[in-house]
Amino acid sequence: GDSVTQMEGPVTLSEEAFLTINCTYTATGYPSLFWYVQYPGEGLQLLLKATKADDKGSNKGFEATYRKETTSFHLEKGSVQVSDSAVYFCALSRGSSNTGKLIFGQGTTLQVKP
Amino acid sequence: DAGVIQSPRHEVTEMGQEVTLRCKPISGHDYLFWYRQTMMRGLELLIYFNNNVPIDDSGMPEDRFSAKMPNASFSTLKIQPSEPRDSAVYFCASSVGLGARGGAYEQYFGPGTRLTVT
Repeated sequence: GDSVTQMEGPVTLSEEAFLTINCTYTATGYPSLFWYVQYPGEGLQLLLKATKADDKGSNKGFEATYRKETTSFHLEKGSVQVSDSAVYFCALSRGSSNTGKLIFGQGTTLQVKP
Repeated sequence: DAGVIQSPRHEVTEMGQEVTLRCKPISGHDYLFWYRQTMMRGLELLIYFNNNVPIDDSGMPEDRFSAKMPNASFSTLKIQPSEPRDSAVYFCASSVGLGARGGAYEQYFGPGTRLTVT
């Protein structure tokens, strides 16, 4: 079945460091891919998305490129801030056979130290 | 838009009591999802609805859990009787389906209800 695998956390970085959180997926068809962020005590918020191969999603300095050949959707940011400390979830939804469900990865905790 | 609204935000109850969690989805959204989040098990999909009809309840842990969606603007998740292992944060999310076009089904989450069963 469809699945999403994220790198294990926590990821601890100093402010202004470069961030990469790896995400790979297994899916039939042509899924859409998402990154969600969850700040402490809050619900998940959509950070960015990509709906087809080679699309790049971007928001708030974060980017991720839909790589069909490597079935990956890695999240990157050039310079992290303390305020980026949160849990990040990679997710997919199916394409033409979409049931409406999202398949989530297990989440990766990011801690940014001043 | 007001976003997805959940109530209560916090609930503390004793084992054996009935608990009802409430959700108001974003107006115009035709999918509604209930999730549970714990440190041990992460984020779990419990049940979801399309046009007020339950589509998949395979994630509901046991018969003590039930969910209803009497109309497009309201859903409840009920636990009866509650147990300490039900302690978790419960999220409601909604999305709009794109039908035959397929494509992205981005979900919008509520702030969650933190349930503590003592």
